[in-house]
Amino acid sequence: QAQLQESGPGQVKPSGTLALTCGVTGASISSSSWWTWVRQPPGKGLEWVGEAYHTGRVNYNPSFESRVTISVDKSKNQFFLKLTSVTAADTALYFCAKSLDKVLWSWGQGILVTVSS
Amino acid sequence: EIVLTQSPGTLSLSPGERATLSCRASQSVKKTFFFWYQQRPGQAPRPLIFEASNRISGIPDRFSGSGSGTDFTLTISRLEPEDFAVYYCHYHDRSATFGQGTKVEIK
Repeated sequence: QAQLQESGPGQVKPSGTLALTCGVTGASISSSSWWTWVRQPPGKGLEWVGEAYHTGRVNYNPSFESRVTISVDKSKNQFFLKLTSVTAADTALYFCAKSLDKVLWSWGQGILVTVSS
Repeated sequence: EIVLTQSPGTLSLSPGERATLSCRASQSVKKTFFFWYQQRPGQAPRPLIFEASNRISGIPDRFSGSGSGTDFTLTISRLEPEDFAVYYCHYHDRSATFGQGTKVEIK
C-alpha cells in the first residue's frame, strides 16, 4: 500500500509561486501509476489539478493549463506541483494521490496552503 | 469540457434509511471513466465505485452505482453511522473533473 506525504510552504504571497512536493513510500514512482494533485478550497469541493507519469507525460486541468507544472523525480521517488501567479483563490488543501487505471487509490493527508501577504 | 452536477446538495436522513445520490454530466460520458468517492470530515477522499457500477475491493455491498450516458446514481441501501459524509462523482478521461459533492447528514 503506497503512502504519500505532501510538504512545502504553508503560505505563499500573491503573484508568487506555489511549490509542493509529494514523497512516495511503499510504491515506485516508476510504476504504472499516474501521480496526481487534487485541491480543496476551505469548506468547498474537490478540484482535479493534474497528473504526471514517470516518462514525463502530463495531463492538466484546462483551468490551470498556463500556470501549472507537475513533474516527477524518479531518483528521489517524489513528484512535484508548481503553480505560478497565485491569488487568494488558490488557497486550498492540496492533496497528492496515486492513480492506477484512473482510480485515485492512495492519498496524502493534504497540506493547507494559504495565499496571503 | 465536461461539467458534473450533483443533486441534492445535502441529504438529511436517519441511520438505516436509503440514500440516493445523483450526478448528471453536461454531455454523454463513458462509463469506464466514471467514479464515486467518499470524504469523511478531516480525511482524504477514498474511492467507492469505479466504471460507474463496480465496487472497490473492501467497500460494503450496501454501496451500489448505476447509470450511463449523462445520468449516474450512487445508492446506499441502509445508512450506517460511518456513511454520513460527503460524496463526489468523478470523471477522468484525458482530463478530469469532480462534481460539487453531496453531503449526507444525520437527520
